[in-house]
Amino acid sequence: AQSVTQLDSQVPVFEEAPVELRCNYSSSVSVYLFWYVQYPNQGLQLLLKYLSGSTLVKGINGFEAEFNKSQTSFHLRKPSVHISDTAEYFCAVSPTGRRALTFGSGTRLQVQP
Amino acid sequence: NAGVTQTPKFQVLKTGQSMTLQCAQDMNHNSMYWYRQDPGMGLRLIYYSASEGTTDKGEVPNGYNVSRLNKREFSLRLESAAPSQTSVYFCASSEEEGSPLHFGNGTRLTVT
Repeated sequence: AQSVTQLDSQVPVFEEAPVELRCNYSSSVSVYLFWYVQYPNQGLQLLLKYLSGSTLVKGINGFEAEFNKSQTSFHLRKPSVHISDTAEYFCAVSPTGRRALTFGSGTRLQVQP
Repeated sequence: NAGVTQTPKFQVLKTGQSMTLQCAQDMNHNSMYWYRQDPGMGLRLIYYSASEGTTDKGEVPNGYNVSRLNKREFSLRLESAAPSQTSVYFCASSEEEGSPLHFGNGTRLTVT
């Protein structure tokens, strides 16, 4: 079985500051990795995904994530956040050979002016 | 494209009542999923259907049943609702292994 740990339940940050949201996973097989964003009262939208190849993945809205196999991590970063980035962010994994995703508990990013 | 459509958006049930949550996708995806979202717990998989005609249990299937009516539609039924089933329910679909999931906007269910 696989699991996902998002180490921070809330991350407050000032506008235009950099941010990193941490995600660690465990799995006995290779995985696909995803980050999703959820704005209030909405469904989840895909930010970025890692399937294979380059370990640095760029997504929408200026976000990027780096896959680190040795540390089993997939941290999300943005060099300069905006008020509009305030949302909840979910890390998810899917073992190769399966389609369903296992989600972390989420990190609420609060961008302050 | 509508993507993934869920109905209803909101529902209040009394303990013991039954209801069916409907989900339809227009992307010709093979796989469909039902998740529930609870504060501090992320999304947990209830049931999924890898392809038309198949369904499998996820992490939290107790108290639920599903039907993959055709390739487009995947319904979730609560036979006898309990307060512990108060949650936001999301339906999703995907094309193939490694593909991202596309989510509906959710159904907010309250069981009193």
